[in-house]
Amino acid sequence: GAGVSQSPSNKVTEKGKDVELRCDPISGHTALYWYRQSLGQGLEFLIYFQGNSAPDKSGLPSDRFSAERTGGSVSTLTIQRTQQEDSAVYLCASSLTDRIYTEAFFGQGTRLTVV
Amino acid sequence: GNSVTQMEGPVTLSEEAFLTINCTYTATGYPSLFWYVQYPGEGLQLLLKATKADDKGSNKGFEATYRKETTSFHLEKGSVQVSDSAVYFCALSGGYSTLTFGKGTMLLVSP
Repeated sequence: GAGVSQSPSNKVTEKGKDVELRCDPISGHTALYWYRQSLGQGLEFLIYFQGNSAPDKSGLPSDRFSAERTGGSVSTLTIQRTQQEDSAVYLCASSLTDRIYTEAFFGQGTRLTVV
Repeated sequence: GNSVTQMEGPVTLSEEAFLTINCTYTATGYPSLFWYVQYPGEGLQLLLKATKADDKGSNKGFEATYRKETTSFHLEKGSVQVSDSAVYFCALSGGYSTLTFGKGTMLLVSP
């Protein structure tokens, strides 16, 4: 597609439920990133995929969070047993390579509200 | 680890005023530096970047110079417009190829 696509754009869920957030990166982009944007907290790195390499999961806040990337394209971020502190905007980005000066393109984000 | 510190907002200016948003960083090695902008209701987009010391990134009238001696990458614009109202994020990319962001600075420009 023309840009990074994320779905759903908004998600309201009850505390304790599992949620799945989807990211469709730009076609041909080998690097994919997930970030979390909380009010007043900037952007928090969650996980990074690059090609067929093992993902960098160092930013995942707990074992309730996991992500996968199928076929080097679409990625799904799963949050199990959601908590109120998980409420945030979850942003996905992709870039053509993993070279440090390559521009990352962001999706519009999924706004998750846990009630 | 890597970190980015930028001035807190909101920054409120009148149209045609001069803008400076300060950004300093901590990183090992030689990171690349970026400014991203998030307009209301839109996703983040790259505004400008600099990949080595003394480089100046520029776009849409905005400029920032990579100052290694002061570990800074301040964003400037000589004459802001109402349409520049947005949240601006300073970021760096270091050895792990991930972007580390500051907390963002909201800019509000009034006519």
